Amino acid sequence: GQNIDQPTEMTATEGAIVQINCTYQTSGFNGLFWYQQHAGEAPTFLSYNVLDGLEEKGRFSSFLSRSKGYSYLLLKELQMKDSASYLCAVMDSNYQLIWGAGTKLIIKP
Amino acid sequence: ETGVTQTPRHLVMGMTNKKSLKCEQHLGHNAMYWYKQSAKKPLELMFVYSLEERVENNSVPSRFSPECPNSSHLFLHLHTLQPEDSALYLCASSQGHDVPSGELFFGEGSRLTVL
Repeated sequence: GQNIDQPTEMTATEGAIVQINCTYQTSGFNGLFWYQQHAGEAPTFLSYNVLDGLEEKGRFSSFLSRSKGYSYLLLKELQMKDSASYLCAVMDSNYQLIWGAGTKLIIKP
Repeated sequence: ETGVTQTPRHLVMGMTNKKSLKCEQHLGHNAMYWYKQSAKKPLELMFVYSLEERVENNSVPSRFSPECPNSSHLFLHLHTLQPEDSALYLCASSQGHDVPSGELFFGEGSRLTVL
């Protein structure tokens, strides 16, 4: 079966760096997405990786290794507003998005 | 107008009621989706419409009935639901339903409670 694994919850300190991991086993691969979802709000797109390597976008970076079935989202200079759930999703060979259960990130002052 | 709008934001219904969730997108997208989001579970895809035709129906119980009258509007009709159907129902849209790099634009969801 198809599976996406990510930690249920993580805690980090304001101003620090945190890495949220995502491992996947899917039927084919057409890219990996990260979404951010604040409590009670809509998920919003953060990043898309289809080739191996690191994509940087401001304080957020996303890394992909297709051979290892692995990705991470790196958040730098953490701010209180970064407290949210982070959803990892992989598009399989049928262009279906397979979702992880999300990682709830708690930022402490 | 925000990109994807859902109404109502909150809904409480009994098991014998009939209600509908509404979604409207102002982005000119061709594909629209209904997802179910339950606590600590992955998003569950329920239905996908592309150019107003249903392209996905992931074994969803018949008590959920989608309707897509045009490319901007999507409804989810609810009838004789069960308490386990209580969840956040998210609507989303995208340029196409089979575009690898196509990101989804979500609405804020309709929080459904079935008593």
